[in-house]
Amino acid sequence: AQSVTQLDSQVPVFEEAPVELRCNYSSSVSVYLFWYVQYPNQGLQLLLKYLSGSTLVKGINGFEAEFNKSQTSFHLRKPSVHISDTAEYFCAETISGTYKYIFGTGTRLKVLA
Amino acid sequence: KAGVTQTPRYLIKTRGQQVTLSCSPISGHRSVSWYQQTPGQGLQFLFEYFSETQRNKGNFPGRFSGRQFSNSRSEMNVSTLELGDSALYLCASSLQGEGYNEQFFGPGTRLTVL
Repeated sequence: AQSVTQLDSQVPVFEEAPVELRCNYSSSVSVYLFWYVQYPNQGLQLLLKYLSGSTLVKGINGFEAEFNKSQTSFHLRKPSVHISDTAEYFCAETISGTYKYIFGTGTRLKVLA
Repeated sequence: KAGVTQTPRYLIKTRGQQVTLSCSPISGHRSVSWYQQTPGQGLQFLFEYFSETQRNKGNFPGRFSGRQFSNSRSEMNVSTLELGDSALYLCASSLQGEGYNEQFFGPGTRLTVL
C-alpha cells in the first residue's frame, strides 16, 4: 500500500538557520511527489513538485527538495528560514492514473526569533 | 480567477445527524478531491470525482459519500455522524486530476460533532 512518512512531527529552528524536513515515500513506479504548506486556518498551498527529470526541485519562497530514488526520500530544505515560514508542511505522493494523493502526517515548523 | 470555495466554513452537529458540505472548484477544473484532516493524522483521502464520476476512493465507511454535478461543483455527505468525524474537510480541484495538474485547495469546512 502507498504510504508517506514524515519523520519529524515538530521542528524548531532559529531564524536565519537552515532547515531540512524529512519525507520518505513508498511507491516505486510513476510516482509524483509534492510538498505543501499550510498556514493557520488556511488550505494547503503547493511549494514544489517532482514529476520527472532533474532530482533537485526548486519551489516558492526559497524552498527546494531533492528526489532520491535509492533512499525513497524527498526531503525539503531551505538555507535560511524566516519567522514567516512557521507553518505545517505536508509531503504527498500520487501514482500516475490513480487520481489519489497520499499525504504524510505533517511536520510543524516553528521558527524562533 | 476565483479560488476553490467551500461552504459552510464552520458546522456544529450532534451525533446521529447528517451533514452536507459543498465545494466549488476553480472555473475550468473538472477534478475535485476531498480530504479529511485531523491532528496527528494528516490528510486522509476520501474520494475524487471527474466529470460526475468517482474515479477513486479512500478507506472510509459507507457513511461518507459524495457526488459531482455537471458544473463540476461537488458535495460530500456524512450520515449518522460520530464524534470521530470531527475534522477539517478540505476539497481540492485540478484540471484533470492527474499528478502533473496542480491541486488547488479550498480553506476547508471545520465540522464539530457534539
